[in-house]
Amino acid sequence: GAGVSQSPSNKVTEKGKDVELRCDPISGHTALYWYRQRLGQGLEFLIYFQGNSAPDKSGLPSDRFSAERTGESVSTLTIQRTQQEDSAVYLCASSLVSTTGELFFGEGSRLTVL
Amino acid sequence: EDKVVQSPLSLVVHEGDTVTLNCSYEVTNFRSLLWYKQEKKAPTFLFMLTSSGIEKKSGRLSSILDKKELFSILNITATQTGDSAIYLCARLRTSYDKVIFGPGTSLSVIP
Repeated sequence: GAGVSQSPSNKVTEKGKDVELRCDPISGHTALYWYRQRLGQGLEFLIYFQGNSAPDKSGLPSDRFSAERTGESVSTLTIQRTQQEDSAVYLCASSLVSTTGELFFGEGSRLTVL
Repeated sequence: EDKVVQSPLSLVVHEGDTVTLNCSYEVTNFRSLLWYKQEKKAPTFLFMLTSSGIEKKSGRLSSILDKKELFSILNITATQTGDSAIYLCARLRTSYDKVIFGPGTSLSVIP
């Protein structure tokens, strides 16, 4: 596609439920990133996929968080047993190569946990 | 843990003012420093800096890097209300490394 696409754009869920957030990167981009942005704060790194290499999961805050990527395309971020502190905007970004840091971001998925 | 630190965290100026935003980092390995602008949701890329002392410029925005002192500045001259945004600084340590962001500077330009 023309840009990074994320879905859903908004998700309201009850505490304890599982949620899945989807990211479609720009075609041909080998690197894919997930970030979390709480209200009024910066971008918190979660996970990074680069081609066929093992993902860098060092930013995942707990074992309730996991992410997968199919080849060099779609990625899914899963949050199990959601908590209120998981409420945030989850941003996905992709880049053609991981050597410059120039990232293209999606519009984000806003998660609200009641 | 290597950090990216930005200051100020928020700033309010009047149209026409010139602003300087600061970014410092603490890494020993370093490949590039990046600036992004976030107006609503998706941050957009502004500059990538890899060499000290070479100014990057785009219209009223410019940025420069000091690798010895480990900092960068972003200047905006003749500010306009459309410059109101969060300005994010980020670093890339090596090729194929993750991009880590600072907390951002929230800039408000009032008429």
